[in-house]
Amino acid sequence: DVKVTQSSRYLVKRTGEKVFLECVQDMDHENMFWYRQDPGLGLRLIYFSYDVKMKEKGDIPEGYSVSREKKERFSLILESASTNQTSMYLCASSFGQGADEQYFGPGTRLTVT
Amino acid sequence: AQSVAQPEDQVNVAEGNPLTVKCTYSVSGNPYLFWYVQYPNRGLQFLLKYITGDNLVKGSYGFEAEFNKSQTSFHLKKPSALVSDSALYFCAVRRYRDDKIIFGKGTRLHILP
Repeated sequence: DVKVTQSSRYLVKRTGEKVFLECVQDMDHENMFWYRQDPGLGLRLIYFSYDVKMKEKGDIPEGYSVSREKKERFSLILESASTNQTSMYLCASSFGQGADEQYFGPGTRLTVT
Repeated sequence: AQSVAQPEDQVNVAEGNPLTVKCTYSVSGNPYLFWYVQYPNRGLQFLLKYITGDNLVKGSYGFEAEFNKSQTSFHLKKPSALVSDSALYFCAVRRYRDDKIIFGKGTRLHILP
């Protein structure tokens, strides 16, 4: 079974802090994704990566950056956390692109106060 | 614009009855369509997908979905609902221009004992 793990289930940070969300997958998948999930808005793509050291902006990249130094690890960085970044963050991976299903981690619920 | 819509925020079904969760889409080219389920405090799990072939797709946990090109729909169905099917269900479609997956806003399914 594919396993995608995220470093924290719950996180509380203060406005202005730098926040790191870590994601690791164990199936040698090429593609990794970061989404945020908000009630009534579904999932929105923040960033994705097709290969090590490669990153592409998704639909809502503002205020975020990412890092992929190793194939199995994809980190989401909030450079200066703001209250409007309070959300559930989901990491996912897939073998291929559009036709392939994605495997999701359990999510990190981030609260910025 | 390419999109996916889930017209119902919530669906209530009595245990043992058939269930349907609706999804309609608007995409360029051939649609790649997916259903995911999210149980409480969990990440999303893949249920099934339509890429090509038979219009009736069978997936995990006894779910199936019917692709209807003329109605641009991909409704999720199950012949007999279980209380354990209560969850948040997301329909998703591949966005043709960048091969990314876009998700609907989700439908919360309540199965009443």
